[in-house]
Amino acid sequence: DIVMTQGALPNPVPSGESASITCQSSKSLLHSNGKTYLNWYLQRPGQSPQLLIYWMSTRASGVSDRFSGSGSGTDFTLKISSVEAEDVGVYYCQQFLEYPFTFGSGTKLEIK
Amino acid sequence: QVQLKETGPGLVQPTQTLSITCTVSGFSLTSYYMQWVRQTPGKGLEWMGFIRSGGSTEYNSEFKSRLSISRDTSKNQVFLKMNSLKTEDTGVYYCARDNSYWGQGVMVTVSS
Repeated sequence: DIVMTQGALPNPVPSGESASITCQSSKSLLHSNGKTYLNWYLQRPGQSPQLLIYWMSTRASGVSDRFSGSGSGTDFTLKISSVEAEDVGVYYCQQFLEYPFTFGSGTKLEIK
Repeated sequence: QVQLKETGPGLVQPTQTLSITCTVSGFSLTSYYMQWVRQTPGKGLEWMGFIRSGGSTEYNSEFKSRLSISRDTSKNQVFLKMNSLKTEDTGVYYCARDNSYWGQGVMVTVSS
């Protein structure tokens, strides 16, 4: 199985500052079709996960442009510019290149 | 609008079978794949499997032959059945339409 490893944040992050969440995969997620099979989700407290980014860098419908995704085949970053109170929660990366699709263990964001 | 709601038993005894229904509205099951994801204290988010728009299925081998996903398109329902439950199967079970729309989840406790 592809292992997804996420980094931690130096919580709490001051409101208005930027935050970068890292994710590393044990295998390249770059397909021969040129797409990178990586999703980012936010799970707010008490809620279901919400898709933020797919194909590594495409924002899902309705997602603020403060969220951006980037990376290579195995190293990925979700950047939140100017964090706000509503951004609090746990962020997960997920690969969907190979079965079984696998998630990272999550990165918690707290706001100061 | 798109809505998904899981319903399940809440409490299941070890070795018994778990049955959860996901009732959807706002779209057709023959146009989208539906997946099941669970969140347990021990393993976090785990992709369990999905049923394609055409009705074929894909499962996480982690669940081996314990898991079955099916649907009734006339009732707009998707079903998860998992047998031989263990205490480690305690967690929240989510259905999701592709990666974009998630149900609220249903808490399942496996205990005698």
